[in-house]
Amino acid sequence: RKEVEQDPGPFNVPEGATVAFNCTYSNSASQSFFWYRQDCRKEPKLLMSVYSSGNEDGRFTAQLNRASQYISLLIRDSKLSDSATYLCVGSSGSARQLTFGSGTQLTVLP
Amino acid sequence: EPEVTQTPSHQVTQMGQEVILRCVPISNHLYFYWYRQILGQKVEFLVSFYNNEISEKSEIFDDQFSVERPDGSNFTLKIRSTKLEDSAMYFCASSPVTGYEQYFGPGTRLTVT
Repeated sequence: RKEVEQDPGPFNVPEGATVAFNCTYSNSASQSFFWYRQDCRKEPKLLMSVYSSGNEDGRFTAQLNRASQYISLLIRDSKLSDSATYLCVGSSGSARQLTFGSGTQLTVLP
Repeated sequence: EPEVTQTPSHQVTQMGQEVILRCVPISNHLYFYWYRQILGQKVEFLVSFYNNEISEKSEIFDDQFSVERPDGSNFTLKIRSTKLEDSAMYFCASSPVTGYEQYFGPGTRLTVT
């Protein structure tokens, strides 16, 4: 049973493009959501938390829709350094363990 | 900026051997976790640890696995008798009491031959 689903991509976009990633989750008990990025063979790095009110951090905007159980990430003015796998992640349970999606691969082309 | 550290970065072991993976969480964090990622697959939760005891564990975390916080800084994962399918990246993570964000260490690549 997949609890967090993402489009695996790959997304290949030119530098400066705007790209959007979507994610759905099935566990309505999930308490918090995050976007992490993972470079090849490296650890997941926290990109941002996701709130129902929407939140922005520079070129990145994240949105959570609890009614639709849907999470999004928008990257504006993409840079070569944005190339990575973006992981949609939910937190649930008393121990707040994370459930990861399979990731969406992004390549920003010069 | 404080970070989670892990040692070794790469461990090669023979099937049936015991391995201990070590982690030093961020110093003021109180929740500790182990995750694993088999090559090409997604990151999977193994176990969480809080207040000196396991608070949650997944189906993967069977009797071959154990965790320990032997002192005030280290957090270890022991695999008693490794199998070929234990080959994976093992990530340690920690989280403060006040937030749900988890911060990951660089991982230990375990290769079982």
